[in-house]
Amino acid sequence: AQSVSQHNHHVILSEAASLELGCNYSYGGTVNLFWYVQYPGQHLQLLLKYFSGDPLVKGIKGFEAEFIKSKFSFNLRKPSVQWSDTAEYFCAVNADNDMRFGAGTRLTVKP
Amino acid sequence: GAVVSQHPSRVICKSGTSVKIECRSLDFQATTMFWYRQFPKQSLMLMATSNEGSKATYEQGVEKDKFLINHASLTLSTLTVTSAHPEDSSFYICSAPQTLYNEQFFGPGTRLTVL
Repeated sequence: AQSVSQHNHHVILSEAASLELGCNYSYGGTVNLFWYVQYPGQHLQLLLKYFSGDPLVKGIKGFEAEFIKSKFSFNLRKPSVQWSDTAEYFCAVNADNDMRFGAGTRLTVKP
Repeated sequence: GAVVSQHPSRVICKSGTSVKIECRSLDFQATTMFWYRQFPKQSLMLMATSNEGSKATYEQGVEKDKFLINHASLTLSTLTVTSAHPEDSSFYICSAPQTLYNEQFFGPGTRLTVL
C-alpha cells in the first residue's frame, strides 16, 4: 500500500515568515495529490490539488505546492504566513481510488 | 463546494451501548463515502469505504462486526459503533468524493466519548 510522510510534526513561525511543509509519498503510478487544512475547531477543507498539467499548483489563501515527480514530493509553500494560518495541514495522495493521509503538520504562527 | 454533514457532532454513551453516526452529502450524490478515525495529535486513519448498494470495504485491522456501515442511499451512510468501549472514544470523520476529480469533502466530525 502507498504511504505518505510529512517531515515536520510542528512548525512555529513568526508572521511574514516563509513557509514550506514537506510531503513525500511512495507510489510509482499515477497519483492525485492534495493538501488539506484543519483550522482550530473546524473540519478539514481543501487547500489545493494536483491532477495533471502544470506541476506548480496555486490554491486558496496564497498557498501553492509543487509536484516533483522524480522526488515523489508535493511540498506546500506560502511566501508570507499570517497568524490566521495557524492550523493543522495534511498532505494526501489518491492512487487507484485509495486515499491516504500524512500524519499532519501543526503550524503555529506567532503574531 | 459540496457540503457533507454529520450527526451527531458529539455523543457521550455508556460502555456496552451502540452509537449510530450519520453522514450525509447535502448537495450531491455519493456512491462512495469514507469513514476515518482521528486520534489526538495523529492523522486520519481510514477505517472503511462505504459503497452504496453493496457491502463496505474495511481496512486491515478494523473490525467489521464492531463498526457496522450501511450506505442506504446515494446521500446517506451510517456508521454504528456496536457495544462501544472506552477505547472506541475518538473523533470520527466521514468524507465523500466528487466523482469527477476524487476531491474529498469532509464532514465536520463526530466526537464519541464512551464512559
